[in-house]
Amino acid sequence: DVKVTQSSRYLVKRTGEKVFLECVQDMDHENMFWYRQDPGLGLRLIYFSYDVKMKEKGDIPEGYSVSREKKERFSLILESASTNQTSMYLCASSTGTGTYEQYFGPGTRLTVT
Amino acid sequence: DQQVKQNSPSLSVQEGRISILNCDYTNSMFDYFLWYKKYPAEGPTFLISISSIKDKNEDGRFTVFLNKSAKHLSLHIVPSQPGDSAVYFCAASVAGTYKYIFGTGTRLKVLA
Repeated sequence: DVKVTQSSRYLVKRTGEKVFLECVQDMDHENMFWYRQDPGLGLRLIYFSYDVKMKEKGDIPEGYSVSREKKERFSLILESASTNQTSMYLCASSTGTGTYEQYFGPGTRLTVT
Repeated sequence: DQQVKQNSPSLSVQEGRISILNCDYTNSMFDYFLWYKKYPAEGPTFLISISSIKDKNEDGRFTVFLNKSAKHLSLHIVPSQPGDSAVYFCAASVAGTYKYIFGTGTRLKVLA
């Protein structure tokens, strides 16, 4: 079974704090993704990575950065958290071949106060 | 511009009846489609897929239909069960790309 784990299920941070969200997958997948899910907006892609140290912006990268130093780990960084970044954050991974079906972690509910 | 649309935010169905969830897309280059199910406080889980070379794919109680000319796909659940109550997302991808574009989701409630 593919397993994607995220470091925290729930997180509360203050405005202006630097926030790190960690994601680890155990299936040797090439691709990893960060999404945020908001009511009425579905899943929106923030960043993705198709290889170690490689990254590409998704649809809503502003206010976020990412790091992928190892194949199994993909980190999302909020440089200076703001209240409009309160959301559910979902990490996913997929292989680099075939149909690239994505496997998701359980999500991190981040609240910025 | 929303390339993948799920126009019904919610749907209620009686247990044992058919649930039909719809998804429309605008990009004719999309050639692979997925459906995911998501329970509260959990990540989405993959349900069923369909390639653009097919018009139907079936897996147990779940069937996905694709109408390329109408740029429309639908997920049929028969018979619906209370455990099917969840948010369903459709997603579309262009061949050779890693990215999927997700719809906004439809919340299905199956009434016992």
